[in-house]
Amino acid sequence: GQQVMQIPQYQHVQEGEDFTTYCNSSTTLSNIQWYKQRPGGHPVFLIQLVKSGEVKKQKRLTFQFGEAKKNSSLHITATQTTDVGTYFCAAAGGTSYGKLTFGQGTILTVHP
Amino acid sequence: DVKVTQSSRYLVKRTGEKVFLECVQDMDHENMFWYRQDPGLGLRLIYFSYDVKMKEKGDIPEGYSVSREKKERFSLILESASTNQTSMYLCASSLRGPWYEQYFGPGTRLTVT
Repeated sequence: GQQVMQIPQYQHVQEGEDFTTYCNSSTTLSNIQWYKQRPGGHPVFLIQLVKSGEVKKQKRLTFQFGEAKKNSSLHITATQTTDVGTYFCAAAGGTSYGKLTFGQGTILTVHP
Repeated sequence: DVKVTQSSRYLVKRTGEKVFLECVQDMDHENMFWYRQDPGLGLRLIYFSYDVKMKEKGDIPEGYSVSREKKERFSLILESASTNQTSMYLCASSLRGPWYEQYFGPGTRLTVT
């Protein structure tokens, strides 16, 4: 089946530092979604990117979809302790018709 | 607000037992999904359903079956539980199809001993 690689697996930052997680696919995607899972919680939808080269912002979070629609990134500016959790990308399209393929997730720890 | 509920937060079962995990959504969503979540592996799709009585295999259906008799309810069945099925099980639903925003339930942490 379709593979979606997400890196890094872990990221430790000091509060105020920036954070980026990357998601890569070997095939062209229809869209990509990002989810956040707080410790002990369930994944919550953040955003969906559809267009080639698309950039969307949500306050301190910036989401990008690559020009070739094979990769995506989530960047957090000036992290806060409320940003802790696991961030997942979820890819639609390519060989995964009819379902989302989730990346392995990046676990973000923010030290105050 | 969409609400997805799961029957149990924690469950402990013995090897060989038949296990039922229930999921209910209250927003009239067509599509429902069962995932399992394991550290370092992300979320892996077990089964999904796009309509009542319809089901499709996901990436890891072996050892599982599902039932969707009513639109709001999607059940995951472990016919004969094994220790390698110890995991977090997450149910999700979506309105417009699997490629759109999914709403997740709180999860059931299943331990098979």
